[in-house]
Amino acid sequence: GNSVTQMEGPVTLSEEAFLTINCTYTATGYPSLFWYVQYPGEGLQLLLKATKADDKGSNKGFEATYRKETTSFHLEKGSVQVSDSAVYFCALRGDDKIIFGKGTRLHILP
Amino acid sequence: EAGVTQFPSHSVIEKGQTVTLRCDPISGHDNLYWYRRVMGKEIKFLLHFVKESKQDESGMPNNRFLAERTGGTYSTLKVQPAELEDSGVYFCASSRGGVFQGNTIYFGEGSWLTVV
Repeated sequence: GNSVTQMEGPVTLSEEAFLTINCTYTATGYPSLFWYVQYPGEGLQLLLKATKADDKGSNKGFEATYRKETTSFHLEKGSVQVSDSAVYFCALRGDDKIIFGKGTRLHILP
Repeated sequence: EAGVTQFPSHSVIEKGQTVTLRCDPISGHDNLYWYRRVMGKEIKFLLHFVKESKQDESGMPNNRFLAERTGGTYSTLKVQPAELEDSGVYFCASSRGGVFQGNTIYFGEGSWLTVV
């Protein structure tokens, strides 16, 4: 079946550090892939998405590239800010629903 | 345009009691989804309504959970009787068309349930 595996957290970084959160997936066919973010006290927000192989999704300085050969969709940001502290969820669209990973809590120190 | 709204935002109940969570989707969205995140685990799909009909309820954990969407507008999710393992965040989401068709899905802020 469809599933998403992402790196366990929490991840703690200093401001301006480089961020990578790993995500791999298992799916039949070529699903659309997503990163969602939940800031403290807020709901889930779509951060970025990619709908086919080699697509790169980007938003707010975050990027992720759909890698079919490695079934991965790693999230990266070159210089994180304190305001990026949140829980990040990798997800795919399977059947008629979104399937999520366990989430990675990111904590950025000033 | 108002987003997906959920009520209550937080609830603390005793084991064995009943709790009803409510979700108001974005106006005009026929598709409504319920998800749940138990602490430290993934956000898991519970069920999917298209208008008032249950399209997919394969994620409902057991018969203590009852979801309804009378009239195809707002939805309720009742947990009766609540157990400790039901604690978590319950997210509601809506979309105009099906997610499979590429429609964007919008999530609410979640209802945080604690069973003690």
